[in-house]
Amino acid sequence: QVQLVQSGAELKKPGYSVKVSCKASGGSPLNFAITWVRQGPGQGLEWVGGFIPSLGTASYALQFQDRVTISADESTSTTYMELRNLRSEDTAVYYCARVRERYDAFDLWGQGTRVTVSS
Amino acid sequence: QSVLTQPPSVSGAPGQRVTISCTGGSSNIGAGYDVHWYQQLPGTAPKLLIYGNNNRPSGVSDRFSGSKSGTSASLAITGLQAEDESDYFCQSFDISLRGSVFGGGTKLTVL
Repeated sequence: QVQLVQSGAELKKPGYSVKVSCKASGGSPLNFAITWVRQGPGQGLEWVGGFIPSLGTASYALQFQDRVTISADESTSTTYMELRNLRSEDTAVYYCARVRERYDAFDLWGQGTRVTVSS
Repeated sequence: QSVLTQPPSVSGAPGQRVTISCTGGSSNIGAGYDVHWYQQLPGTAPKLLIYGNNNRPSGVSDRFSGSKSGTSASLAITGLQAEDESDYFCQSFDISLRGSVFGGGTKLTVL
């Protein structure tokens, strides 16, 4: 059974970058689209962007498109989300999730990675 | 300010039926895009509850149902149980923003 396992918590200073990983465990090939969603402290969910490994294409939320890159390494079934020029407002839990085929719904989630931006 | 609007909170007694609304606009729900619903317990990742407006993933109780009409959608929970106390989020696609959008979330309290 596929699980999405994310990398550990990160503490970064403003202006720096963070790269969070999301690995499909169990030897599952990366044959599904992946999305990234974040949740600030006490806040709602915010879509960051997504990646389709079979096409090698990424799409990003307009408010992040200048600062984020989502990529994948199919050989290790791992997806990455890099966010640059970090600000305190980027402090959040970042989730990766699988996109359900034929729907834009997220049906399998990683455990979340807490990113704290503080000087 | 979320693109999709949900009530901040709803409540109901055990056994009752509650509904949570999700209101969008002409560039998302009103444009025909599907609505999906998630349940999020404190400190955990969201869980898909309803996809494609009214479909339940395997393992989700049939006490949960979804509907959509015009620029709005609703999540209904019947036979309310203490374990349903949670945050609920709706999600859709917005053609103007070219990406997924969420509601601000609704906290359900079981009295």
